[in-house]
Amino acid sequence: DAGVIQSPRHEVTEMGQEVTLRCKPISGHDYLFWYRQTMMRGLELLIYFNNNVPIDDSGMPEDRFSAKMPNASFSTLKIQPSEPRDSAVYFCASSLGGASPGANVLTFGAGSRLTVL
Amino acid sequence: EDKVVQSPLSLVVHEGDTVTLNCSYEVTNFRSLLWYKQEKKAPTFLFMLTSSGIEKKSGRLSSILDKKELFSILNITATQTGDSAVYLCAVRTSGTYKYIFGTGTRLKVLA
Repeated sequence: DAGVIQSPRHEVTEMGQEVTLRCKPISGHDYLFWYRQTMMRGLELLIYFNNNVPIDDSGMPEDRFSAKMPNASFSTLKIQPSEPRDSAVYFCASSLGGASPGANVLTFGAGSRLTVL
Repeated sequence: EDKVVQSPLSLVVHEGDTVTLNCSYEVTNFRSLLWYKQEKKAPTFLFMLTSSGIEKKSGRLSSILDKKELFSILNITATQTGDSAVYLCAVRTSGTYKYIFGTGTRLKVLA
């Protein structure tokens, strides 16, 4: 398997523009997570899905952020309108899920580095 | 509120030294703890710990969990420059599949 695939790897945009980040989880993984990483706050969970259904979106900062998972192999995180404080690395991760402890190890994608000017 | 705290925040050592990284947590209904290594890219998995007192070991790295005192340590012996990275720990609670991460320990190993 190619692992968790994210795109774009880098995005530079201007304040007010819409940003869409994309993620393809590992095939067969039932759980998908979106994390944001900054120097000040570390890795913060934004939202996670189980079988394409959002389970916990309590970490989504505000209404400018939205996430979807239309099918088992694709998810998007959208920011509209973007602001400079959204600049961060956004990671997508997936896990198999299930009762076995090892099934809940997170595998991360390479991340999308977002810079909002 | 569930919390994971790592210490020290950063550490500089010389090759060959042994280091101990700490992860303490305050969560309701602990389920499991993960350690990750992050270089310039994605975090990569090191260990999963679920039971107290059982050491996990991989080469020069080892980790142990103390569920009574609510902490875990990650030991690295005979450090090498390639061990330079941020080490992250994350805790999962029962009834959820999400992990809460600490802010990490930045380790720099000098040649």
